[in-house]
Amino acid sequence: GEDVEQSLFLSVREGDSSVINCTYTDSSSTYLYWYKQEPGAGLQLLTYIFSNMDMKQDQRLTVLLNKKDKHLSLRIADTQTGDSAIYFCAESIKADKLIFGTGTRLQVFP
Amino acid sequence: GAGVSQTPSNKVTEKGKYVELRCDPISGHTALYWYRQSLGQGPEFLIYFQGTGAADDSGLPNDRFFAVRPEGSVSTLKIQRTERGDSAVYLCASSLAVRTGNNEQFFGPGTRLTVL
Repeated sequence: GEDVEQSLFLSVREGDSSVINCTYTDSSSTYLYWYKQEPGAGLQLLTYIFSNMDMKQDQRLTVLLNKKDKHLSLRIADTQTGDSAIYFCAESIKADKLIFGTGTRLQVFP
Repeated sequence: GAGVSQTPSNKVTEKGKYVELRCDPISGHTALYWYRQSLGQGPEFLIYFQGTGAADDSGLPNDRFFAVRPEGSVSTLKIQRTERGDSAVYLCASSLAVRTGNNEQFFGPGTRLTVL
């Protein structure tokens, strides 16, 4: 079956690192994605990782994938107040529909 | 170039009425997706078009929901006999639908539907 789970909230101090976690159930996922959603704005793709990779780094973002445990994480280095948003992980199985998690609300305080 | 656009941005209707939501995908994108996002939830897949045909409509909740894409570009999501539980933000996305590699979906701003 298809199910993606995330913790609901994360609060961090500005300048610290944030780690947002996600678990998924479908082992046939080909790509896994991280999207950002700010109030009143559309979904913005932040980064993605192919299922045969363990890690991907893109500037302040690091994605780690543990395929055995079906666990995905997004690390944001030097978190800024502008990073406050809801972050969704999503899995894609056949380059078709995306299955989204419930979202993690990241709050960054000064 | 222009991104995915959706109209209207907001729609308020009464229970039992019929509504149409429109999506204009990015030019040249052959794949088009509809999702529904309820308050406090992640987007939920509804239907996916490849060209003019619905390749996967497994997410449509019931037969009150229907979508078309007659010319392979603009799509309309139609909801009959709306119910209060249909209130949500309806998101549209489009992609190049490559069968290999990352098939990035680009999302529109959504239509917020409120059923009174």
